[in-house]
Amino acid sequence: DGGITQSPKYLFRKEGQNVTLSCEQNLNHDAMYWYRQDPGQGLRLIYYSQIVNDFQKGDIAEGYSVSREKKESFPLTVTSAQKNPTAFYLCASRGLDQETQYFGPGTRLLVL
Amino acid sequence: AQSVTQPDIHITVSEGASLELRCNYSYGATPYLFWYVQSPGQGLQLLLKYFSGDTLVQGIKGFEAEFKRSQSSFNLRKPSVHWSDAAEYFCAVGANTNAGKSTFGDGTTLTVKP
Repeated sequence: DGGITQSPKYLFRKEGQNVTLSCEQNLNHDAMYWYRQDPGQGLRLIYYSQIVNDFQKGDIAEGYSVSREKKESFPLTVTSAQKNPTAFYLCASRGLDQETQYFGPGTRLLVL
Repeated sequence: AQSVTQPDIHITVSEGASLELRCNYSYGATPYLFWYVQSPGQGLQLLLKYFSGDTLVQGIKGFEAEFKRSQSSFNLRKPSVHWSDAAEYFCAVGANTNAGKSTFGDGTTLTVKP
């Protein structure tokens, strides 16, 4: 089945630690996106990528980094510079000839 | 800049009653409009979308939405709500330009009373 997978479902971070969230898609989509969701708020764009080896900052990129070495994969690293990382993180993808983003199931990041 | 407002943070309806969730958008050109639904701890599922043509669009799970350009609105409706419809609903505006980025509203939480 085609779709978007995110792992892990839950992730715990210690103070000062970098953690990486995985996002993989087998939809052959060119564009991929990372969003952060906090309670009572909508989705805020962290980073996005339209093609391999290229990505752009979204509205809240500080404290995060990404890579896009393969079309199928768009991992997000939450660095120690992100002082308030506790949130629900959603990955999405979109075909360049399409208008709709399709979402993965999300990863919940908690700080120990 | 594009923006979306969902005026109702929380709505409660009785099972079997009709539902309308409001969405107002701001966008300079003809927008692409979406409604998504999210169950707790899950990703977003697309309910329906509007790009052009007929301003009344049908979606999954018996939902429909009407695009009203004069009111900059894209309200979501369902004639008879089921208990399984309890979830959070997000309206979004996007475009085929601007890297296909979408802007999301803050969401409306729907509670269904038995």
